[in-house]
Amino acid sequence: DVKVTQSSRYLVKRTGEKVFLECVQDMDHENMFWYRQDPGLGLRLIYFSYDVKMKEKGDIPEGYSVSREKKERFSLILESASTNQTSMYLCASSPLAGVKMETQYFGPGTRLLVL
Amino acid sequence: QKEVEQDPGPLSVPEGAIVSLNCTYSNSAFQYFMWYRQYSRKGPELLMYTYSSGNKEDGRFTAQVDKSSKYISLFIRDSQPSDSATYLCAIPSNTGKLIFGQGTTLQVKP
Repeated sequence: DVKVTQSSRYLVKRTGEKVFLECVQDMDHENMFWYRQDPGLGLRLIYFSYDVKMKEKGDIPEGYSVSREKKERFSLILESASTNQTSMYLCASSPLAGVKMETQYFGPGTRLLVL
Repeated sequence: QKEVEQDPGPLSVPEGAIVSLNCTYSNSAFQYFMWYRQYSRKGPELLMYTYSSGNKEDGRFTAQVDKSSKYISLFIRDSQPSDSATYLCAIPSNTGKLIFGQGTTLQVKP
């Protein structure tokens, strides 16, 4: 079974802190994604990566950065956390870059509260 | 106009009811259509996918695509309390990204 793990299930941070969210997948997938999920807005793509050291902006990249130093690990960084970044963060991975029917496999999510 | 629209609900039905969940989309070039299910405090997982028009059945679940109306549906027969979850439609774009609907929260009451 594909397993996507996220470093924390719940996080509480203060405004202005630098926040790291880690995601690891164990199936040698090429693609990895970071989403945030908010009530009424659904899943919104923040960043994605098709390969090591490669990143692409999604629909809402402002205030975020990412790092992919190893194929299995994709990190989301909030450089200076703000209250409007309080959300559920979901990581996903998928195999075979460029295949239309690729299935994304999701981690359990990290619920971040910024005070 | 959003590329994929889905009524967020919530939708509450009694056990045994037939449930209909729906999405509309704007781009007639879309070919593949997916449904994800997300239980509370979990990540989404793929439930079903279909290609082009027509129906696809898997147990109590049927996915239906009407490309002429740009309308996709997920039907659940004999709904169970264990079907209570958020259901998200998703469509792969031509860039390889998935476009998600807002998700419909379903509660099946015993």
